[in-house]
Amino acid sequence: GENVEQHPSTLSVQEGDSAVIKCTYSDSASNYFPWYKQELGKRPQLIIDIRSNVGEKKDQRIAVTLNKTAKHFSLHITETQPEDSAVYFCAAPPPGGYNKLIFGAGTRLAVHP
Amino acid sequence: GAGVSQSPSNKVTEKGKDVELRCDPISGHTALYWYRQRLGQGLEFLIYFQGNSAPDKSGLPSDRFSAERTGESVSTLTIQRTQQEDSAVYLCASSPRPSGGAQQYFGPGTRLTVT
Repeated sequence: GENVEQHPSTLSVQEGDSAVIKCTYSDSASNYFPWYKQELGKRPQLIIDIRSNVGEKKDQRIAVTLNKTAKHFSLHITETQPEDSAVYFCAAPPPGGYNKLIFGAGTRLAVHP
Repeated sequence: GAGVSQSPSNKVTEKGKDVELRCDPISGHTALYWYRQRLGQGLEFLIYFQGNSAPDKSGLPSDRFSAERTGESVSTLTIQRTQQEDSAVYLCASSPRPSGGAQQYFGPGTRLTVT
């Protein structure tokens, strides 16, 4: 099917800890995997993306890893801060539909001071 | 430059009425998407426009939903005979090219409440 499965649905961490969110996809031919952050009442914004020709990408405290064999990719946030609190969505192209993205159900991350 | 804009920001309507939501994409973006986001839920794909190609309507939940786009500019999403389950935030996004491999830029959304 076209589902992108995302886990966990909620995640609570202490400031300074790391957070990891995982997504699985169904189409082995998919080649683009973005992560969006949506703060309360705001629009989703891209924070990082990865293409299938690399296994990991980092941007300061944020990293994304891709395991093509297992068809899953993960978002890693290190040294979390209260402003990281938001809902995070992963996405992937659906099988055979490379012009659009299917989004995961989202992970609500709460970072407690 | 200007981002994606949507209007109205909020719309309250009575059950059974028709509503029209507007999206102004970033200039030059050929791809345009509509999503529905129910409270506390994820982004549900509705429809996708790419240039002058036939739109991908595979996500529209019923024939009460329709959308149009003129060339590579404004798009309108119309919901006829609104129902309470249509209450949600409707998000529009545009992309410089088909988004299987490019960033989508989201508008602020239209919050629709059907009473």
